[in-house]
Order: sequence, then C-alpha cells, then structure tokens
Amino acid sequence: QVTLKESGPVLVKPTETLTLTCTVSGFSLSNARMGVSWIRQPPGKALEWLAHIFSNDEKSYSTSLKSRLTISKDTSKSQVVLTMTNMDPVDTATYYCARILSDRDYSNDYWGQGTLVTVSS
Amino acid sequence: AIRITQSPSSLSASTGDRVTITCRASQGISSYLAWYQQKPGKAPKLLIYAASTLQSGVPSRFSGSGSGTDFTLTISCLQSEDFATYYCQQYYSYPLTFGQGTKVEIK
Repeated sequence: QVTLKESGPVLVKPTETLTLTCTVSGFSLSNARMGVSWIRQPPGKALEWLAHIFSNDEKSYSTSLKSRLTISKDTSKSQVVLTMTNMDPVDTATYYCARILSDRDYSNDYWGQGTLVTVSS
Repeated sequence: AIRITQSPSSLSASTGDRVTITCRASQGISSYLAWYQQKPGKAPKLLIYAASTLQSGVPSRFSGSGSGTDFTLTISCLQSEDFATYYCQQYYSYPLTFGQGTKVEIK
C-alpha cells in the first residue's frame, strides 16, 4: 500500500537550515510522471503549498518562498528531500509530504502523517 | 497568485443536515480544484478532485460541483464522522493555493 513518512528535526534555531526527508513506499519515484508535494500548516492555520517534484525532475516552488526552498529526490532511496534556509519562528508548522494524484491532476491522494517543526532559540 | 476565498469560515450543523461549502477563485481555474477533509491532529484526506470526481473510497454523500471561478462541496446528509475542517485547493496555476478552511461543528 502507498505510504509516505516525513522525518527531520523537531526543533531548529532561527537562521538555521531545515532539511526534511519524505520516504515513500508503495510507488516508485521513477514511474513516469509520479510526483510528490510538500505542504505545511502553522498551528491553527490553513494549509500552504510549498513545492513539488516529478519523476522527470521537474520542480515547482511557492513564489513567496522560492528563494529559500530546494526540493530534490533520491529515487534509489525512495526519498524526496526539502530544504528551507534561514528559518524563522513564523515557519513553525506541521510539514506534510503527499503524493500527487497524476500527471494531469495535481491534487494529493496520499499524505504522510506530518512532522511538527518548531523554530525557536 | 490565484486567491481562493472559501466560505463560510465555520458553520454549525446537526447530523442529517445538508451542508454546502463554497470556494471562489480570483480568476478562472477550469475544473482544477480539489476538496480535502482534515480532522484534528490528522493529515488532510482527499475527497474530490477535478471539481466533481469523487476519490475512491469516499462516501457518496460528498459531492462537488462548479467550474471556472465558483465551486461547491455538498454533504448531503451530515454524519458524526463528517465534523471536521474542509479545504479547497486550486491547481490550475502556480503557486498552488488553498482556501482558508471551513470548520463544520456540531450544533
């Protein structure tokens, strides 16, 4: 069955770089037009799309965060990695990775459980 | 960026009620809209994609309609397990954007 699991630090200091890993199973990142998104949710607030990457290495980023984000994949490890530089307390959120439904529909059909990242000194 | 205005932000309803939530896009997005349900402490769950296509395994009391700028999620007969927060998302153009959410509470 399809699963995704986020991992990374629970606490980062302001100005540090956050690195999150999404490990997937039940599907292959090398399958044609398969993709994974990163989405975050500050406590008590709405969802915010951050980035996604497809099997052909096509990447897209949030306009407002583009300068701070990098998304990449390691197909052999079934992992998608998101880095976010210069972390700030406003970046405190639960970070989710999610599978993209198809190459013609960018909704997300399977989600990880999420990982709460707190930014504090 | 395309702005999604979701309304209402919250509503109170009783089991068995018919509930309607709307999303309005700041520009036309064809049918590139999804609806998600989120319960406290859980990841969102895809309910509807392509504005009106029911995701596999989702009960038929959920339905979606609309195209262009105006969209609706309807729950035909509210069940106890449907009390949650609902989000719409447009994926017509980048950056992908979500509505602000509608919390469905017990009356």
